[in-house]
Amino acid sequence: DAEITQSPRHKITETGRQVTLACHQTWNHNNMFWYRQDLGHGLRLIHYSYGVHDTNKGEVSDGYSVSRSNTEDLPLTLESAASSQTSVYFCASSAGLNTGELFFGEGSRLTVL
Amino acid sequence: RKEVEQDPGPFNVPEGATVAFNCTYSNSASQSFFWYRQDCRKEPKLLMSVYSSGNEDGRFTAQLNRASQYISLLIRDSKLSDSATYLCVVKPPSGAGSYQLTFGKGTKLSVIP
Repeated sequence: DAEITQSPRHKITETGRQVTLACHQTWNHNNMFWYRQDLGHGLRLIHYSYGVHDTNKGEVSDGYSVSRSNTEDLPLTLESAASSQTSVYFCASSAGLNTGELFFGEGSRLTVL
Repeated sequence: RKEVEQDPGPFNVPEGATVAFNCTYSNSASQSFFWYRQDCRKEPKLLMSVYSSGNEDGRFTAQLNRASQYISLLIRDSKLSDSATYLCVVKPPSGAGSYQLTFGKGTKLSVIP
């Protein structure tokens, strides 16, 4: 069955370190997204991609970067982790631009000490 | 006014009860509307789309009122398994960024035996 997987599922890191969260989908979807979810804020869009070599900034992109070298993967990098980036991160993908159905990964819980 | 607003709850209801959630949105040109369900510590999943004429899926009924800019979700005959957080999701009008879904913060439902 097609799926979307994230790794690591849990990570603790220190302020200033670089962190990469992996996202891999086997749906062959063109559209991929990264969200963060915090209490009191709900899901907020960080970056998104509509296809290979396409990346776009979302609502809360500062301090994050993504790259899309193939259809399956959209890794999220925190160049210099900050305590404000402690959150649960969700990767998602979708088949088309007109559908409202996103398929989410199980989430990556990141703690920055 | 925030883009998508929901009553955070929690709504604590007995099994078998009927419960309704409302959601308001600020952009009158918004194109499409959805309800997602998120179980505790899990990823969000699409519950149902919301159509202009209203739609039902078993015990769940979704309605849209464009004039008042609100969406509702009605759950009849609540089950323990309905306990979750329900996210209201709005898709902006066509154009640049039209695939950036906006998520409400969610309404938490607890169904009590």
